[in-house]
Amino acid sequence: DAGVIQSPRHEVTEMGQEVTLRCKPISGHNSLFWYRQTMMRGLELLIYFNNNVPIDDSGMPEDRFSAKMPNASFSTLKIQPSEPRDSAVYFCASSTRTDLNYGYTFGSGTRLTVV
Amino acid sequence: KQEVTQIPAALSVPEGENLVLNCSFTDSAIYNLQWFRQDPGKGLTSLLLIQSSQREQTSGRLNASLDKSSGRSTLYIAASQPGDSATYLCAVKKDKLVFGAGTILRVKS
Repeated sequence: DAGVIQSPRHEVTEMGQEVTLRCKPISGHNSLFWYRQTMMRGLELLIYFNNNVPIDDSGMPEDRFSAKMPNASFSTLKIQPSEPRDSAVYFCASSTRTDLNYGYTFGSGTRLTVV
Repeated sequence: KQEVTQIPAALSVPEGENLVLNCSFTDSAIYNLQWFRQDPGKGLTSLLLIQSSQREQTSGRLNASLDKSSGRSTLYIAASQPGDSATYLCAVKKDKLVFGAGTILRVKS
């Protein structure tokens, strides 16, 4: 298994531009999570999906952030318009909800820099 | 709201020492607890997963314990090596995974 795949690995964009981060979870995992990591706040859960349905988006910082999961093998996190304070590493993780004792597998992350 | 605290925030030890990293959580109604390692600029690597019904898990030089009723876990690293230098993160799972801030470990050669 190739694990959780995120793209791009690095993204540098100008303030005001739209940014789209992508994630492919592990095949067979039916839960997907988006996290953001910064020095100041550590790892924060932004949103998670079960069976492609958003369950909890209370961590999404504001309306500029949106996430979709159109099918079991793909999810996107979009920021529009981007701001310098959005600069962080964004991680995607997947797990299987059918076994609540199963652990999470994380992708390598996307390092976003907004200038 | 679940809160996870890790102590110490940073630790520097000479090579060969045995060490303990601590994790505490406020809501004991968890399904499992997971310890991760993160190298600078890298993603998270899962080290050990302890189910809520278990007391400990071992992998090589690593041993993690869980006392769910008191909301505590420890990660024991035996005979530390410079390659163990990284940030160690504890996370507890119910509906979602909640992380501590991590312990930055430096093992000096």
